[in-house]
Amino acid sequence: AQSVTQLGSHVSVSEGALVLLRCNYSSSVPPYLFWYVQYPNQGLQLLLKYTTGATLVKGINGFEAEFKKSETSFHLTKPSAHMSDAAEYFCAVSGVDAGGTSYGKLTFGQGTILTVHP
Amino acid sequence: DADVTQTPRNRITKTGKRIMLECSQTKGHDRMYWYRQDPGLGLRLIYYSFDVKDINKGEISDGYSVSRQAQAKFSLSLESAIPNQTALYFCATSDRTRDWSNQPQHFGDGTRLSIL
Repeated sequence: AQSVTQLGSHVSVSEGALVLLRCNYSSSVPPYLFWYVQYPNQGLQLLLKYTTGATLVKGINGFEAEFKKSETSFHLTKPSAHMSDAAEYFCAVSGVDAGGTSYGKLTFGQGTILTVHP
Repeated sequence: DADVTQTPRNRITKTGKRIMLECSQTKGHDRMYWYRQDPGLGLRLIYYSFDVKDINKGEISDGYSVSRQAQAKFSLSLESAIPNQTALYFCATSDRTRDWSNQPQHFGDGTRLSIL
């Protein structure tokens, strides 16, 4: 079984400032990790994903995330926030079920609402 | 046109009513999912389907049922709605590949359901 914890339900930054959204996961097997973004009145869109290989993953809109196995973390960052980044962000993990079978099911974190001030 | 379409987008109904939420996709994906989103809880999986003949319960299936009418259609039913089923519901799809776990899911725009 796997789980995801997002630290901070709300994060507020100024335009141009660094964005850091925290995600820690728990998984009994090497995980696949995802970040999704949800704009108002829309569904979730994939920002980036980590499967294997390079631990620093680049996504759309200037976002990136680093997989740190020793810290069981997958934090999302962006060097300079833009007003259009205001949205809710979800971290998710895909792994295996209790029987060890991979079914591609996602377990989501609680979400972090990002507010960007002018 | 959207790849994953949910209907209706909004619905208000009364306790005890039967409700069906529909999802259709043009992505040609085999796998479809239904989630509910509640503030502070993220998304939780209700049901998922790998193909027309394969339907599985998720973590919160009580009070819900589903039907996979075709590869492109997956509907969610609330047989007798109750107020704590008020939530935002999402349908999602993903592709079948050798390693299913690393495939991203593609979401519809959601159905906002209110049960009075």
